[in-house]
Amino acid sequence: DVKVTQSSRYLVKRTGEKVFLECVQDMDHENMFWYRQDPGLGLRLIYFSYDVKMKEKGDIPEGYSVSREKKERFSLILESASTNQTSMYLCATRRATNEKLFFGSGTQLSVL
Amino acid sequence: TQLLEQSPQFLSIQEGENLTVYCNSSSVFSSLQWYRQEPGEGPVLLVTVVTGGEVKKLKRLTFQFGDARKDSSLHITAAQPGDTGLYLCARHTNAGKSTFGDGTTLTVKP
Repeated sequence: DVKVTQSSRYLVKRTGEKVFLECVQDMDHENMFWYRQDPGLGLRLIYFSYDVKMKEKGDIPEGYSVSREKKERFSLILESASTNQTSMYLCATRRATNEKLFFGSGTQLSVL
Repeated sequence: TQLLEQSPQFLSIQEGENLTVYCNSSSVFSSLQWYRQEPGEGPVLLVTVVTGGEVKKLKRLTFQFGDARKDSSLHITAAQPGDTGLYLCARHTNAGKSTFGDGTTLTVKP
């Protein structure tokens, strides 16, 4: 089975801090995704990457950046965390377009 | 803008009842996926539908893709408490984006 590991299950940060969320997959998948999930809003795509050093903006990229230096690792960066970035963050991976997504268990980020 | 509309948003039923949840869009899908998410976990794929009019069954779950490929439904027969969770539909674009609906939260009471 594909394993998608997110570095932290729960994270509490202060407004203005720089925050790194890490995601590692073990199946050599090309595509990786970062979503945030908020009640009543479903999953909203922040950024995705279809190859090393490649990145594409999703639907809500403002306030976020990403890094993909190695195929197995996709990092989400909050340069200066704000309270409206308090959310559940989900990483996902996929071998190719139209195939299924495999998700990590999520990181619940609270920005105080 | 949310491209996928799911209804109802919340559903609470008794064990043994039947239910249907819907996923609608004004756009045509090349394919559509249904996921289920349990508390504290990421979503897990249930099924992919590709062909207009397609019907797929997964035990007590029946998935249907509309003839025009703009809508889909998930029907659960004789719901059980283990069916409790958040049900999400998702579409993938040729550009690689995967967009989700806002979900239906199902609670099945014993």
